[in-house]
Amino acid sequence: EVQLVQSGAEVKKPGESLKISCKGSGYSFTNYWIGWVRQMPGKGLEWMGIIYPGDSDPRYSPSFQGQVTISADKSISTAYLEWSSLKASDTAMYYCARRNTYGYDFWGQGTLVTVSS
Amino acid sequence: QTVVTQEPSFSVSPGGTVTLTCGLSSGSVSTSYYPSWYQQTPGQAPRTLIYNINTRSSGVPDRFSGSILGNKAALTITGAQADDESNYYCVLYMGSGISVFGGGTKLTVL
Repeated sequence: EVQLVQSGAEVKKPGESLKISCKGSGYSFTNYWIGWVRQMPGKGLEWMGIIYPGDSDPRYSPSFQGQVTISADKSISTAYLEWSSLKASDTAMYYCARRNTYGYDFWGQGTLVTVSS
Repeated sequence: QTVVTQEPSFSVSPGGTVTLTCGLSSGSVSTSYYPSWYQQTPGQAPRTLIYNINTRSSGVPDRFSGSILGNKAALTITGAQADDESNYYCVLYMGSGISVFGGGTKLTVL
């Protein structure tokens, strides 16, 4: 059974760093892209970026380029989304999702990130 | 920057048929955009309905169908049910690994 399990909710202060994770199981992790999606409170889904764990090749939406870092560790089947300096506007739910050739077929349960002083 | 457009809201009567669309601020949606559709109810993770234009994800009932209609991608729900009341998002693939979500359509069944 394919599963994407994300790390738990985080509460951080502005300026702090954070790395959240998405662990894949039930399939060959290196053969599928993993994407990250933001959902701010009461808003729609936004595509942030994607990585191919086979060669750790990330791609970013222009809106998120330079704001976050996407990485992967294929040895533990885990993808990451990282911030070096959080802002209050980063408060959101973050989802990871597996991309097959034509779309996203499996989703993580989401990680809620709250940034507040 | 390319904007993917969706109707902000739509309503359908129980048992009725509704077609939601997904377009581009500039240009037409073609098969090479591999349109996909996702359903999300408040507080839940998105659920994949359709990928590659018209392929239903596992477990999705056949009253959900995808297509290209004119210059847009389309999601048609036939025989709408109360639990179809959700937000629906399309995604278009822009190439080089990049995708873009539409703004979403809030569907009301009443």
